Amino acid sequence: QQQVKQSPQSLIVQKGGISIINCAYENTAFDYFPWYQQFPGKGPALLIAIRPDVSEKKEGRFTISFNKSAKQFSLHIMDSQPGDSATYFCAAGGLYNNNDMRFGAGTRLTVKP
Amino acid sequence: NAGVTQTPKFQVLKTGQSMTLQCAQDMNHEYMSWYRQDPGMGLRLIHYSVGAGITDQGEVPNGYNVSRSTTEDFPLRLLSAAPSQTSVYFCASSYRQYTEAFFGQGTRLTVV
Repeated sequence: QQQVKQSPQSLIVQKGGISIINCAYENTAFDYFPWYQQFPGKGPALLIAIRPDVSEKKEGRFTISFNKSAKQFSLHIMDSQPGDSATYFCAAGGLYNNNDMRFGAGTRLTVKP
Repeated sequence: NAGVTQTPKFQVLKTGQSMTLQCAQDMNHEYMSWYRQDPGMGLRLIHYSVGAGITDQGEVPNGYNVSRSTTEDFPLRLLSAAPSQTSVYFCASSYRQYTEAFFGQGTRLTVV
């Protein structure tokens, strides 16, 4: 039972383009939505996170858009660079969800120069 | 400035063997957790701890044990390794649950 569904599985974008990764969740108790970036051979690292009291959060070239009614959130990477090539994971957790953070299956992003 | 340290980085086990994956953090974080990462599955929570002496099960706890005797250490024990436990294991820590998690470099485990 996958509580967080992530798409696409892989994404190829030209340098300077916009990368968009989408996630949908099921559990309305979730109230913390982070995105993690993972390079080969490394552990994931937090990129940006949002809580449902706002619909958008921007940090540099990275923006999370959040739609509470649709139970969806997405990551936009503006002006994508080859250095952004990595695997991205969305996740969802809830203070009142009793235990765990649920992760999406991941999106492998390749930014072509 | 070590952060989260996992050992070993690679391990091959035979079916039925037991072993312990080590995890240590030097950030005085209360919350620690273990995940396994499998292709197409993302990261799945195995066990977690909200503080020394307190542990609880995550999404996929079967076949694994944990303990938390100190704030710094959170070892993961495989009781009797099975091929289905072949995976990459990550330990993570955070100040509290649902704050930024810092991950270790991972342990790639192969069970033959």
